[in-house]
Parts: sequence; C-alpha cells; structure tokens
Amino acid sequence: AQSVTQPDIHITVSEGASLELRCNYSYGATPYLFWYVQSPGQGLQLLLKYFSGDTLVQGIKGFEAEFKRSQSSFNLRKPSVHWSDAAEYFCAVAPPYNNNDMRFGAGTRLTVKP
Amino acid sequence: DGGITQSPKYLFRKEGQNVTLSCEQNLNHDAMYWYRQDPGQGLRLIYYSQIVNDFQKGDIAEGYSVSREKKESFPLTVTSAQKNPTAFYLCASTMGGSGYTFGSGTRLTVV
Repeated sequence: AQSVTQPDIHITVSEGASLELRCNYSYGATPYLFWYVQSPGQGLQLLLKYFSGDTLVQGIKGFEAEFKRSQSSFNLRKPSVHWSDAAEYFCAVAPPYNNNDMRFGAGTRLTVKP
Repeated sequence: DGGITQSPKYLFRKEGQNVTLSCEQNLNHDAMYWYRQDPGQGLRLIYYSQIVNDFQKGDIAEGYSVSREKKESFPLTVTSAQKNPTAFYLCASTMGGSGYTFGSGTRLTVV
C-alpha cells in the first residue's frame, strides 16, 4: 500500500521569505499526488494535484509543487510567504484511478513571523 | 455555491450515547468519505461510499456506522462501542480523480 511522509512537523518562516515543505511517498508506480491546506478548526482545501505530464504543477494562492520520481518526492513551494499562509499543510497520495485509497501525511504546521 | 455542509460544528457526547454527524453535499459527487483527525496523526479513513446504498469500511471503522440512502447525504453515527471518540471529524466527496472537497468539520467531545 502507498504511504506518505512529511518529515517536518513544524516550520517557521518570516513573512516574505521563500517556503518549501517536504513530502516523500512510497508507491510502486507513479501515484496521484495532492497538497491540501487546513486553517485551524476548518476543513481541508485542495491546493494542487499531480496526475501525469509536466512535473512542475501550479496551484492556487501562488503555490507550486514539483514531482521528482527519482527522489519519490512532491515538495510544495512558494516564493514569498504571506502571513495568511499560516496553516497546516497535508500531502496526500492515491493510486492512479482510485481515489478511495488516498493516504495523508501527518501534516506540517507553518508559522509565519512578521 | 456548491459544497459540503457538516453539522453540527461542535457536538458533545455522554458516555454510552450514540451520536450522529451530518454530511450533505450539493456537488453531485458520487463518492463520499468520513475521516477522523487527531493531533499529529493526519487523517484516518473511517468509511467511504461510492454509490447510493453501498459503503465500505476504512482503516478505523470499529465503533462507527454509516448509511447512504441518498446521493447527497452520508451521515456518520459514532456508537457507544467507540471507546475514544473525541476527535475532529471530516466529511469529503469527490467525482473521479479531481481530489477531495472537504466540509468544515465537526468537533466531537466526550463529556
């Protein structure tokens, strides 16, 4: 079965600095990959997804992610962080064509310093 | 606007009591899911349903039950058999491989 690891439990960055959140997955082939964001006490919102094709994926709110097959990674990036980006971020992986087996990482909490 | 509505936002359960969490969607999505979220553990799948009148157990189904009588509705019952029900519960839906749409969650607390 597939699995996903987010190595960083908590990250703090200054407003305006760049951001990279790490995600590593385990799966025998190329899976479907997702990043979600969760504000406190709220549900999750889809930021972006990767199915196939171009390995650099653009999402909402200025986020992007790059799929690297050789490293089994799908890291999330943003060039300049805003205070409103403070939230928890979840990476998720699912087998192709099977949304019913989506696995979520434990999440990375992002704090933004003024 | 289309979306998923979960209610109530906060729910308190006494020991030995069954409670039902509501999840309604107007997105015309076929598949619906219930997840449990505990601090530091990410999301764990409780039950999912791909079509009306059919549902499957997820990883942590013990102590929970569901029904899917209508496409729009997928209520979750937390039974007295669930010994540690205090958690944040999230409902989601999807159509095909588009990623999930989530509701805003229900926080359940045992009192």
